[in-house]
Amino acid sequence: GQQVMQIPQYQHVQEGEDFTTYCNSSTTLSNIQWYKQRPGGHPVFLIQLVKSGEVKKQKRLTFQFGEAKKNSSLHITATQTTDVGTYFCAGRRSGNTGKLIFGQGTTLQVKP
Amino acid sequence: DGGITQSPKYLFRKEGQNVTLSCEQNLNHDAMYWYRQDPGQGLRLIYYSHIVNDFQKGDIAEGYSVSREKKESFPLTVTSAQKNPTAFYLCASSIEKNIQYFGAGTRLSVL
Repeated sequence: GQQVMQIPQYQHVQEGEDFTTYCNSSTTLSNIQWYKQRPGGHPVFLIQLVKSGEVKKQKRLTFQFGEAKKNSSLHITATQTTDVGTYFCAGRRSGNTGKLIFGQGTTLQVKP
Repeated sequence: DGGITQSPKYLFRKEGQNVTLSCEQNLNHDAMYWYRQDPGQGLRLIYYSHIVNDFQKGDIAEGYSVSREKKESFPLTVTSAQKNPTAFYLCASSIEKNIQYFGAGTRLSVL
């Protein structure tokens, strides 16, 4: 079945360092969404990418959607302790019933 | 205050017992979803519903059942057939197939 693979599974960084998580799909996606889950919390929507090659920024966060619409990345510049949590990508396949396929998530720890 | 409410926050199940997790939303969303989250894993879809009185199995529906009698409500029953029910259960809703809004979750444990 369709899979969305996300790497790395865990990342520890020093505060101020950059962080990137990558998401790869086995099939072409109609769009991809990113969610953040704080420790003990629930996933919260961050952004949706729809167009091939799309790049969107939210302050220190940069999201990219690959040209082939099969991969995506989230890059955080100069991490802060408030960035701690698990970041999930979720892809929706073209023409499907609307189900989102979630990646396994990347858990980010930031050392102050 | 609009949102999705899941209850209870913590639930304990005895062996052989069925338990029901509640999910209510007042966002007027048509679509609702149930996910299961295990430590270190992503969200796996159990059941989803795009309209009242209709629902579909997700990727791990065995041992679970749902109903969608009202737009606002999508309860999930974890039956005794689910042999490994300990997990964090998340309910979500969305407008059509768009952004999903999640409830705070229910942590289910087995006694």
